[in-house]
Amino acid sequence: EDQVTQSPEALRLQEGESSSLNCSYTVSGLRGLFWYRQDPGKGPEFLFTLYSAGEEKEKERLKATLTKKESFLHITAPKPEDSATYLCAVQAEGGSYIPTFGRGTSLIVHP
Amino acid sequence: DAGVIQSPRHEVTEMGQEVTLRCKPISGHNSLFWYRQTMMRGLELLIYFNNNVPIDDSGMPEDRFSAKMPNASFSTLKIQPSEPRDSAVYFCASSFSAREAFFGQGTRLTVV
Repeated sequence: EDQVTQSPEALRLQEGESSSLNCSYTVSGLRGLFWYRQDPGKGPEFLFTLYSAGEEKEKERLKATLTKKESFLHITAPKPEDSATYLCAVQAEGGSYIPTFGRGTSLIVHP
Repeated sequence: DAGVIQSPRHEVTEMGQEVTLRCKPISGHNSLFWYRQTMMRGLELLIYFNNNVPIDDSGMPEDRFSAKMPNASFSTLKIQPSEPRDSAVYFCASSFSAREAFFGQGTRLTVV
């Protein structure tokens, strides 16, 4: 059974204080790993897809990286508007390609 | 494209009543997912359609829940009869060829 564990559950940062969120996964064969951002009262918003170990994707202050066992979402010099819950999901090879989601990391950035 | 559209945004109903949630996926997408999100359990997959055909409904809690996709541009999730434990936010998401899924804004369901 595919498993996704995100840590920490919650993270508080000061504006400008860089940090990383972790997504550890167990899957028989990885087809893709997705990162989403979810704001309160809204649906998850797609950020990145990573397909193979060593791959990196960047968007503004966010950079996602992937190894064979985990992915990191690095946040450089965060701003209060980066406050949100960040969700990770994995998609296994074969089968129905249904993504399995982690519980998310709730990030609060204080001004 | 306007993205995935869900209706209603909020629904308050009495226990025992029938509830129908609606979803219009992104045009051209061939996969559709219904998820339920609660604080306790996070985001749970209820059912997955591919090319309008239900492929995996193992997440549907019980027979009170049913979902249909009569065509590529519309899906419904029905709960009959509703119970207080069904209170949650229900999301519909669509994707193309098993790539990243795009979510709607969700329906917040409260059963009293």
